[in-house]
Amino acid sequence: GQNIDQPTEMTATEGAIVQINCTYQTSGFNGLFWYQQHAGEAPTFLSYNVLDGLEEKGRFSSFLSRSKGYSYLLLKELQMKDSASYLCAVRERGGGNKLTFGTGTQLKVEL
Amino acid sequence: EAQVTQNPRYLITVTGKKLTVTCSQNMNHEYMSWYRQDPGLGLRQIYYSMNVEVTDKGDVPEGYKVSRKEKRNFPLILESPSPNQTSLYFCASSQLPGQRYEQYFGPGTRLTVT
Repeated sequence: GQNIDQPTEMTATEGAIVQINCTYQTSGFNGLFWYQQHAGEAPTFLSYNVLDGLEEKGRFSSFLSRSKGYSYLLLKELQMKDSASYLCAVRERGGGNKLTFGTGTQLKVEL
Repeated sequence: EAQVTQNPRYLITVTGKKLTVTCSQNMNHEYMSWYRQDPGLGLRQIYYSMNVEVTDKGDVPEGYKVSRKEKRNFPLILESPSPNQTSLYFCASSQLPGQRYEQYFGPGTRLTVT
């Protein structure tokens, strides 16, 4: 089984940088995904990490350390539209494409 | 446009009345999955399918059935809905795992069972 932890809520200021952490415990790690979900809408894919290090994609970056069971999502130049829930999900070996999701971090961007 | 569609988007029903939520994808994906999302519990997998006629239980399968007769469709069936199945349901699809095969989610079905 898996255990995935993320902070429940975070607040940040427009234009700033915010880091959302995710820690996980798994018996056979096979990838970590970050999704963004606006209230009442479908989750949309943001990033994927399977090897240690940083993946950058525009204003969004994601980091993974497999030895520490740790990932973070970094959002730069925050915009009001970035207010959403950010979901960390881990895929295990042998489970097909099964994802186990954390409960999500609700980010509020303020002026 | 590549997409996953679900119907209905909203449904209010009564305990015990059988219902089906349809899911269809136009991306020729092998893998399809159903999740339910509840406050404080996150997304939890109900059932998944690796291909036509291949389905398996996820983490919370009790009270649900699925079928995969065609590659594009993966309906979720509630034979006798109960109030604890009131939730937001998402269907998702992806290519089979290999690399970074992210799952694409449908728009969601909000189900209320009274």
